[in-house]
Amino acid sequence: AQKVTQAQTEISVVEKEDVTLDCVYETRDTTYYLFWYKQPPSGELVFLIRRNSFDEQNEISGRYSWNFQKSTSSFNFTITASQVVDSAVYFCALSESGNQFYFGTGTSLTVIP
Amino acid sequence: KAGVTQTPRYLIKTRGQQVTLSCSPISGHRSVSWYQQTPGQGLQFLFEYFSETQRNKGNFPGRFSGRQFSNSRSEMNVSTLELGDSALYLCASSLTQGGGVIRETQYFGPGTRLLVL
Repeated sequence: AQKVTQAQTEISVVEKEDVTLDCVYETRDTTYYLFWYKQPPSGELVFLIRRNSFDEQNEISGRYSWNFQKSTSSFNFTITASQVVDSAVYFCALSESGNQFYFGTGTSLTVIP
Repeated sequence: KAGVTQTPRYLIKTRGQQVTLSCSPISGHRSVSWYQQTPGQGLQFLFEYFSETQRNKGNFPGRFSGRQFSNSRSEMNVSTLELGDSALYLCASSLTQGGGVIRETQYFGPGTRLLVL
């Protein structure tokens, strides 16, 4: 079973639209960490955010915001007023006991000018 | 601080050959993980090294191996290359100290694109 599910394979939006990328995770641990990474065409994964399982506060960073809900095991990522530079593949990841990251399959976001 | 560096960036090999990829972590980071990324399989964990010891291993055949040096630099080796080994190989480093949950963020290098012909 997938530990991290990103059901949206590809999303296209027009510039300035808001877009939400979904992430659902599965774990039995009480202590775990969730991450979002961005992978532009160059290939390097860029860290965006880390959230631990005890902190359910939503976070906003500029045009980016994250909604962590333990009740639904979701950690969704919203980009407000999307820009062409936001076009990339976005990965959600889970770290639980065992020193291993589990990545979702990624969501490819295309922002159309 | 310099980021994670990987060499070479691009590599072309033929079936049956072997290849060694190198990764230099961020200064002070002692944990290095390797991932294989292919269009069909996504990001797959290969192994993680900490203090020169392999601490975790993914589900890959024994042709894939790695090591870590005392300065935390790491190499991975793939022997008897197959066409299916063509992929982007990513290295990530973190400050992870001990066992248990990875608390520290993994920072990734630019990757090595391997093409096996």
